[in-house]
Parts: sequence; structure tokens; C-alpha cells
Amino acid sequence: QVTLRESGPALVKPTQTLTLTCTFSGFSLSTSGMCVSWIRQPPGKALEWLARIDWDDDKYYSTSLKTRLTISKDTSKNQVVLTMTNMDPVDTATYYCARGIAARTFDPWGQGTLVTVSS
Amino acid sequence: QSALTQPASVSGSPGQSITISCTGTSSDVGGYNYVSWYQQHPGKAPKLMIYDVSNRPSGVSNRFSGSKSGNTASLTISGLQAEDEADYYCSSYTSSSISFGGGTKLTVL
Repeated sequence: QVTLRESGPALVKPTQTLTLTCTFSGFSLSTSGMCVSWIRQPPGKALEWLARIDWDDDKYYSTSLKTRLTISKDTSKNQVVLTMTNMDPVDTATYYCARGIAARTFDPWGQGTLVTVSS
Repeated sequence: QSALTQPASVSGSPGQSITISCTGTSSDVGGYNYVSWYQQHPGKAPKLMIYDVSNRPSGVSNRFSGSKSGNTASLTISGLQAEDEADYYCSSYTSSSISFGGGTKLTVL
């Protein structure tokens, strides 16, 4: 059974850096073809893809956010970490990680973690 | 503003069929057969319902079906049930990234 769980701070201040960790089980990110993506959803709004890391450590970022994002993995710990710099209140959202299927479909998703940006 | 366009809401009565459209461009929906559909109930994570335009993952009811014509993909739900009431999002692969639609709220009357 594949599961993913996001963890990180619930509240960050403007200008701070957000670090989120996705801990997963049921698959290995060292297996050819595997990948993990981060997706976020502001309250009441649509989903937005943020970043992806592949089994071979290739990394892909949203064009609009790539200057602020870094994605990395620790295969031995079954974890993927996303950092987002210079947080702003508009970044308030539920952040999800999800396993990628051939880099074009997400299944399954983690439960999500709500991050609020406020002073 | 989302890259893919979906109607904000659709509704139907139990037993009826509804279709949700997802319109993109030749750079995303029209350029790849990599459209997915997700169902999201309030307060829950999205769930994959359709992938690669028309494929259903194991465990998803065959009442859900997907198709595509040109730059527009569609999700059809037949035999509507109360439990289908949720938000639905389409997504498309596009040049090493993923675009999502704005989401459609399905109301079962």
C-alpha cells in the first residue's frame, strides 16, 4: 500500500523560508520511473503544481515559482523535501505531496498540510 | 487564473449523466494524451479518477469515463449518485510540468 504524509510548520512569517517534508512508504524513489511532486491549494481555490523530483534526481519546477523553490530527496529515509523562500500571505495553502505516475498523473496523494503565512 | 478552463459548477439529479469539460491549448490538452481527472471531497485530498484521457484506475467505478477532442477533454459521470457530489479537477502534462483546471463543483440535486 502506497502512502504519503506531509509535515512541516503550520504557521510561517512573511519573508521566512518554508521547509516541508514528504515521508512515503510502499514504493522506492530509487526505482526507475518513480517520482514525487508537490502541489498546493489555497483555501477555496484550485490546485497548483509546484515541483517534481524523479528517481534519477532530475528536478522540475513551476515556471512562476522556480526562483523560490528547491526540491530534494533522501532515498534512504523515503523522504522528499520542498523549500520555498520568501513566503508571502498569498502562499497560504494546503500543500500536498503525491506519487507521480510516469510524471503525468498523481496517485495517491498525501493528506495535505495547511500552511498559513502571517505575521 | 488556471491554465485549463473548466465550468465553475454543474449539477444533475440522481441517476442522470453529467459531463465536465476541460479546455486547454495545443501545448497541453491538445498536444498530449495525458489528461487526468481528480475528485476532491471537502477537506479531503484529491483522488485520481481518470488518467491518460480515458483510463480508470483500479477501484474507480465504471460510471466515470473520460474522452478528448482537440484541445478539450471531458469527464462524464453516468448514473449520478449522492456520493459523487464533490469538486473535480482536470490536469494535463505540458512540457515537463503539469497544468490544472480551475475546478468544477458538482452538485447532485
